[in-house]
Amino acid sequence: DSGVTQTPKHLITATGQRVTLRCSPRSGDLSVYWYQQSLDQGLQFLIQYYNGEERAKGNILERFSAQQFPDLHSELNLSSLELGDSALYFCASGPSGRALDEQFFGPGTRLTVL
Amino acid sequence: ILNVEQSPQSLHVQEGDSTNFTCSFPSSNFYALHWYRWETAKSPEALFVMTLNGDEKKKGRISATLNTKEGYSYLYIKGSQPEDSATYLCAFHNTNAGKSTFGDGTTLTVKP
Repeated sequence: DSGVTQTPKHLITATGQRVTLRCSPRSGDLSVYWYQQSLDQGLQFLIQYYNGEERAKGNILERFSAQQFPDLHSELNLSSLELGDSALYFCASGPSGRALDEQFFGPGTRLTVL
Repeated sequence: ILNVEQSPQSLHVQEGDSTNFTCSFPSSNFYALHWYRWETAKSPEALFVMTLNGDEKKKGRISATLNTKEGYSYLYIKGSQPEDSATYLCAFHNTNAGKSTFGDGTTLTVKP
């Protein structure tokens, strides 16, 4: 158990809908990272937050947005969902948000868009 | 687009064999290379964070080396055990932040 929690574990929804994925980092970690793993792609970095501020951005679609709240939990919002958004979404956390931080991954949220 | 390549794509070995795989990355703007172990139905688990050219790190039977000048890292497993069966991922950081590019992984299967 990494200490990172993600909810829900599974989510099934329809195209065009909007969903919110939630992540709570390990106690003491200030940085949260979001990743996507689709069937036909490897693990892709989406976005990073550090202490409430966006720190780095990857190939995150404009339909996706994220934020980190004062209690350090983070939410990833996915809107106007398409079939291709079906994937495993991981959240990870780390202490300082720098490249040398070890990252601790949560169990993931599996999103299925029908 | 950064190119991070891992080879081989998959590897089947017998229990007790030693094995190694490679992660290749751009040699410019290097900040860090992470190795992860990812077992089926679980989430990636950090193995090593490598930052300096010539770095060698070890955790039990697993070790890794880093050559930032030529852009590669090796992961070695000595005396493979069935519980080592997993996908091993590397992730390259070219900035001092969380943005990383992952390789596609090497999937290791260790037969008893």
